[in-house]
Amino acid sequence: GAVVSQHPSRVICKSGTSVKIECRSLDFQATTMFWYRQFPKKSLMLMATSNEGSKATYEQGVEKDKFLINHASLTLSTLTVTSAHPEDSSFYICSATSGRWGDTQYFGPGTRLTVL
Amino acid sequence: EDKVVQSPLSLVVHEGDTVTLNCSYEVTNFRSLLWYKQEKKAPTFLFMLTSSGIEKKSGRLSSILDKKELFSILNITATQTGDSAIYLCGGGTSYDKVIFGPGTSLSVIP
Repeated sequence: GAVVSQHPSRVICKSGTSVKIECRSLDFQATTMFWYRQFPKKSLMLMATSNEGSKATYEQGVEKDKFLINHASLTLSTLTVTSAHPEDSSFYICSATSGRWGDTQYFGPGTRLTVL
Repeated sequence: EDKVVQSPLSLVVHEGDTVTLNCSYEVTNFRSLLWYKQEKKAPTFLFMLTSSGIEKKSGRLSSILDKKELFSILNITATQTGDSAIYLCGGGTSYDKVIFGPGTSLSVIP
């Protein structure tokens, strides 16, 4: 099956710093990537949809200036949490799809962010 | 507003039991119903259903979609402890977006 990687898998940072998370599709071209946030024992909350070469589409209630998304190529999308605060601590998961009919989303392993 | 509802939210069964997980959806531009299994990390894909009434099977797991009733079930027969996980149901849209339900937490005890 298709492989999606995320880096880093875990990050701990101080309040006020910015953190960048990378999502890569390793063996296919991802026309669309998605960023999710997951709180403990809760479902995935879609934050934004990212299409290569265009601006991300953010879900209602997600601050676009706080969570910067860049989809620079067909295999890489980045999420930058700017001026992170403790309430941003969460598990962030990306997923990618080729966009072909019948293709599903393939999830990355996730990044655990802890803001002190 | 798009929503996906799953029931039960949690379930404890004994090994060997059969379980049925339910998912109902109201999703604009609905294209497919997706089931994922999530253990410690990211979800892994189980099924994608696009047509009503056609059962998909993978080993002890099977799933079916009813597009008229906006409903899907996931069945697991002869459960094993390795089936313990959160099972996520998602409504996929024609824009590739997936709206996930809250998940069903399944615990299989020996």
